[in-house]
Amino acid sequence: NAGVTQTPKFQVLKTGQSMTLQCAQDMNHEYMSWYRQDPGMGLRLIHYSVGAGITDQGEVPNGYNVSRSTTEDFPLRLLSAAPSQTSVYFCASSYRQGSYTFGSGTRLTVV
Amino acid sequence: GEDVEQSLFLSVREGDSSVINCTYTDSSSTYLYWYKQEPGAGLQLLTYIFSNMDMKQDQRLTVLLNKKDKHLSLRIADTQTGDSAIYFCAETIGHGSSNTGKLIFGQGTTLQVKP
Repeated sequence: NAGVTQTPKFQVLKTGQSMTLQCAQDMNHEYMSWYRQDPGMGLRLIHYSVGAGITDQGEVPNGYNVSRSTTEDFPLRLLSAAPSQTSVYFCASSYRQGSYTFGSGTRLTVV
Repeated sequence: GEDVEQSLFLSVREGDSSVINCTYTDSSSTYLYWYKQEPGAGLQLLTYIFSNMDMKQDQRLTVLLNKKDKHLSLRIADTQTGDSAIYFCAETIGHGSSNTGKLIFGQGTTLQVKP
């Protein structure tokens, strides 16, 4: 099925561990973004990309890295996990002038 | 700066109309969106409105846009218990060739529908 695929769906990390959240879309969308969702705070933008090779910081980029080597993939890397990064992470993609399609989310717990 | 504000909670009775309000700050927004999130699920696009429109109707949903006041509302007619969810307002930042690719969300409004 076409859409945005996020893996894994659930993850538990220990403080200080690193990991990569995967995001892939098969709709040839130019734009891709990562958000985190915390109770009462809506979705906050972490990083976004307007095309392969181009990334930029959102509202809450600290502690996260991204790269966009292909149109399809936009992985999010946690360099050294902290309890404050416990959250639900959503990836989204869109055409330049279109609505955003969201993945089903990754629920991350850092202990 | 870029900011989207929503009230946090709305409670209505089944069959009544619900009105969820949103204010935004970026006057260059091209599209404004309403997303719905049910418990434990991702975000589902409900509807959107282009910035040169005042109103858009889609079955039970009516979106009103007041560009002067930077105010957006979502009206759900004949609200049902299945409409209970969190509703997010969102705006794109930038216009046309200066579209930044950023989509900024409000905090979300929890809609509770009582039988």
